[in-house]
Amino acid sequence: DAKTTQPTSMDCAEGRAANLPCNHSTISGNEYVYWYRQIHSQGPQYIIHGLKNNETNEMASLIITEDRKSSTLILPHATLRDTAVYYCIVLRSYQLTFGKGTKLSVIP
Amino acid sequence: ETGVTQTPRHLVMGMTNKKSLKCEQHLGHNAMYWYKQSAKKPLELMFVYSLEERVENNSVPSRFSPECPNSSHLFLHLHTLQPEDSALYLCASSLDAGQGPKNIQYFGAGTRLSVL
Repeated sequence: DAKTTQPTSMDCAEGRAANLPCNHSTISGNEYVYWYRQIHSQGPQYIIHGLKNNETNEMASLIITEDRKSSTLILPHATLRDTAVYYCIVLRSYQLTFGKGTKLSVIP
Repeated sequence: ETGVTQTPRHLVMGMTNKKSLKCEQHLGHNAMYWYKQSAKKPLELMFVYSLEERVENNSVPSRFSPECPNSSHLFLHLHTLQPEDSALYLCASSLDAGQGPKNIQYFGAGTRLSVL
């Protein structure tokens, strides 16, 4: 599996940008990076994905380094409802392999 | 609402019971998945179906038996489970099971299973 490394936990003040890093140094050239989040006891929610270029959608932005060995998920204005575990995943074959993720706590 | 519906949301069963979990997707997807999430553990992929054919079985014990009668429905049949099988069981679907953006997976809310 293409292993990813994320910090165990992070705090972010409400209204500020949350920047969640992910290291995926063993990623291959055609493998995508996906980000999901899981709010307590719910199913994971897709956020964004990317291959080489930076991506933005209504939920977040994804910045991928030029060598593709790391990426950062940016929530531009974090709210209390963004408190969740965030998973950075490299899709290999057809399998999403979830690690432990980063627990993001948004603080009032 | 993700378009993936799981029933029941909660299930309590004894070790000798037989029960089934149901998943239905209204997204027109061709691939469906079962995952297991035990307490304080990452999600584990159990089964993958693509166009109603099973393409992955991640060393899951035979007491878990999946069934995919059509591309919109997925079942997980349970029999003679153990207490350690208590977990959140999640279903997901994607446009297809290949690489890239067609494999964006949409998850249901899960079935919380307790085995007594």
